[in-house]
Amino acid sequence: NAGVMQNPRHLVRRRGQEARLRCSPMKGHSHVYWYRQLPEEGLKFMVYLQKENIIDESGMPKERFSAEFPKEGPSILRIQQVVRGDSAAYFCASSEWTGSYEQYFGPGTRLTVT
Amino acid sequence: ILNVEQSPQSLHVQEGDSTNFTCSFPSSNFYALHWYRWETAKSPEALFVMTLNGDEKKKGRISATLNTKEGYSYLYIKGSQPEDSATYLCAGTSGGYQKVTFGTGTKLQVIP
Repeated sequence: NAGVMQNPRHLVRRRGQEARLRCSPMKGHSHVYWYRQLPEEGLKFMVYLQKENIIDESGMPKERFSAEFPKEGPSILRIQQVVRGDSAAYFCASSEWTGSYEQYFGPGTRLTVT
Repeated sequence: ILNVEQSPQSLHVQEGDSTNFTCSFPSSNFYALHWYRWETAKSPEALFVMTLNGDEKKKGRISATLNTKEGYSYLYIKGSQPEDSATYLCAGTSGGYQKVTFGTGTKLQVIP
C-alpha cells in the first residue's frame, strides 16, 4: 500500500506563473488536507477536502489559491500568478476518516518562486 | 478555532537524558489530540492519537498522556538518543467539524 504521493517534489516558478501541486492519498483514504510551511514557521492548515467537496478552506488565501479533489484522480492545489511570498513547502495529508484518525503525510512539494 | 500551543519551542538534551514537553489546548469542545514527529527534510509521522481524559499511549521509549479537563498533553522521551532529534508537533481537533490544528512544535536536539 503506497503512502501519500505528492508531485512534483520541487517546483520552480517565475512570478506570475501558475503552480499546480498534486497529491494522491493513500489507498482507501477519502479525506485530504493541504498544509503550508513557510520558512521558519510551522505547519499551517490550508484546506480540507473530501471527494468532490471542499469541506473547509478557511486557511486558504482568498485570491489566487484553489483546491480540488475530483472523483477520479489526485487532489490538486493550484496557485495562480505566483508571488515570491508563495515560496514554501506544501504538504498534503490523507486520512481514512477525520478527527481522531491519524493523518498520513506526503513528502511535500517545495515551491520556489523566482 | 482551536488554539494549540507547545512549549518549549526548542530543547537541547544530552544523550541518555529523559525529557518531556507540553501541548496545551482549550478544554472545551475537545475531540482528539495528535502527536507527530517531524524529522528535517522528511514529512511528519504520526505517533499517537488520544481522545479520552487520562489516556496514556506508549511507543518504545516515547509515551504521551492526556488531560482533557485541564487541556494539556505531555510527551515523554526516556533515555534520549541522537535519532530522537526532530520537531515534535501536537495537533488538536475540536467537536463538530474536526479540523486538525497544529501547534508550532518543539524542536528537540539530542547531543551525543
